[in-house]
Amino acid sequence: GAGVSQSPRYKVAKRGQDVALRCDPISGHVSLFWYQQALGQGPEFLTYFQNEAQLDKSGLPSDRFFAERPEGSVSTLKIQRTQQEDSAVYLCASSFLTGNTGELFFGEGSRLTVL
Amino acid sequence: TQLLEQSPQFLSIQEGENLTVYCNSSSVFSSLQWYRQEPGEGPVLLVTVVTGGEVKKLKRLTFQFGDARKDSSLHITAAQPGDTGLYLCAGVGSGGGADGLTFGKGTHLIIQP
Repeated sequence: GAGVSQSPRYKVAKRGQDVALRCDPISGHVSLFWYQQALGQGPEFLTYFQNEAQLDKSGLPSDRFFAERPEGSVSTLKIQRTQQEDSAVYLCASSFLTGNTGELFFGEGSRLTVL
Repeated sequence: TQLLEQSPQFLSIQEGENLTVYCNSSSVFSSLQWYRQEPGEGPVLLVTVVTGGEVKKLKRLTFQFGDARKDSSLHITAAQPGDTGLYLCAGVGSGGGADGLTFGKGTHLIIQP
């Protein structure tokens, strides 16, 4: 497709389970960002990739969160031992430009509910 | 951390009315972006303002960047039900870098027919 694709759209996990969220960015986009958006709030930065390199992971809330983009295209956000406070929409965005100066194209998000 | 305060947090008005929402910070931004997000969707970029004092118009929407590049406003004229959504401002730090945009918490706008 032409846009950023995220899967699954909805994920329900029991507390303690591991989850993996996938992001397929727009072809050719160098930059890829992950954001976490709690209900009724704005997106909060998690991590940034330039091609396959993870240049900034300062927003990851704990060491249970891990992201990768091994071939500089598809990215996976993994959350280990999920907790209830991890419940949120996880947004992926890509950009043709490096850094955060260009327009970000967002996917529809993956809504995670931890019971 | 550069914080962006958006106000009002919620706004519900009748179709045809005018409104203004605000985005304020104590920090200087090299540029500022406005996004609109509908339920179940990701944010979509509306505009980027770069120069202090800049005004940009997008049909019935007018965006202004403050002279000091610390604040911005969005004015909607003759609001339509299709304008309903979450309006987010996002600042690009003066230092640049790869730490992502700083988003405000957004203004939830409802336009009633």
